[in-house]
Amino acid sequence: DTEVTQTPKHLVMGMTNKKSLKCEQHMGHRAMYWYKQKAKKPPELMFVYSYEKLSINESVPSRFSPECPNSSLLNLHLHALQPEDSALYLCASSLTPEFDTEAFFGQGTRLTVV
Amino acid sequence: AQTVTQSQPEMSVQEAETVTLSCTYDTSESNYYLFWYKQPPSRQMILVIRQEAYKQQNATENRFSVNFQKAAKSFSLKISDSQLGDTAMYFCAFWGRYNTDKLIFGTGTRLQVFP
Repeated sequence: DTEVTQTPKHLVMGMTNKKSLKCEQHMGHRAMYWYKQKAKKPPELMFVYSYEKLSINESVPSRFSPECPNSSLLNLHLHALQPEDSALYLCASSLTPEFDTEAFFGQGTRLTVV
Repeated sequence: AQTVTQSQPEMSVQEAETVTLSCTYDTSESNYYLFWYKQPPSRQMILVIRQEAYKQQNATENRFSVNFQKAAKSFSLKISDSQLGDTAMYFCAFWGRYNTDKLIFGTGTRLQVFP
């Protein structure tokens, strides 16, 4: 199994809503990542979890709240988002937080904030 | 700071032909990795090929090969026998072992393969 599974694939939410994005992998990877990608742009790193601990927060606004309940699961909790937060949110994982091994990406969640 | 530059925003190629995507980078790191990722309309980023800076031999994966010029800090991707399924956004990326804690992506090249 070399998959990173993200749910939901599409999400439309209002600015007052609370929602969560989910990411799951069963490859035994100990590093997991959240990226934000705007149209026709490269992915931008948001958070890194290394051995289930938050190791990097790229100055992301607090309306995005990551959570890593166990080594296979990564969540991104969303609250009071703005329309400019509409984007593709990609999850990735790698064996370790070093990129000398392959990083696997999920198919992303297309988020629209209305 | 590390930077990755892809100077070709869009390229097109006819099926079965060969196309080369360019990438240059800037770093002071001595031990680093370079990557080409493909992102088709399905949105999933897929690793196409990886090159370790210490290895002089250019990496090859089936129809995909790189021309790694370390002194020139150039890392181009050659796609041979292009197929319709190669249509995608291609991102060049860099990671340095000592001073880089994340993948540094270029701005991407959109490749269209025509029948």
